[in-house]
Amino acid sequence: DTAVSQTPKYLVTQMGNDKSIKCEQNLGHDTMYWYKQDSKKFLKIMFSYNNKELIINETVPNRFSPKSPDKAHLNLHINSLELGDSAVYFCASSPQYTGANVLTFGAGSRLTVL
Amino acid sequence: LAKTTQPISMDSYEGQEVNITCSHNNIATNDYITWYQQFPSQGPRFIIQGYKTKVTNEVASLFIPADRKSSTLSLPRVSLSDTAVYYCLVGDGDSSYKLIFGSGTRLLVRP
Repeated sequence: DTAVSQTPKYLVTQMGNDKSIKCEQNLGHDTMYWYKQDSKKFLKIMFSYNNKELIINETVPNRFSPKSPDKAHLNLHINSLELGDSAVYFCASSPQYTGANVLTFGAGSRLTVL
Repeated sequence: LAKTTQPISMDSYEGQEVNITCSHNNIATNDYITWYQQFPSQGPRFIIQGYKTKVTNEVASLFIPADRKSSTLSLPRVSLSDTAVYYCLVGDGDSSYKLIFGSGTRLLVRP
């Protein structure tokens, strides 16, 4: 039973399109995250939610809109896709957002914008 | 904003001990320092976590000095399957809600 699952695993689309990536965790965690990993393997925080409330929005363009319908789900919608959005997007969850915090990651969603 | 520095890559041979250091300043006072391992096409996976001094588990040790401005992951007797990218993760001193990854160290273990 996958702890943090993301769909789709691969996404290939044209510039200007809108796409969504879904994430679900069955660990009962309160906090969820989206990280972006670029071609140089840097992992950068995008968003963090705690109990469905946004607590981190790391200067991500407005084209990216996270939505957390409940604390087990954190979806990422991207409008007007650009070439620079091509990356691997990782969803993660943790029991809380400070202190001895261990993140559990999904397998990633590779987005390719043509 | 917390700044982290890791060596880009390291080479080792099977059976050797490998030490990977992450330098980090301006980290959150109350947050722990965590290390992750990532294989190709997978998400980062938790290895070890500590706050100060030394922590050891079944796969690694973690050394954190009193000033907490660095941490060293120690992998005893590495094997080929330890070839991966290793990241430190720290809380930002300006906003501990923000967890910041190091740039990653690519470890290659040779036979």
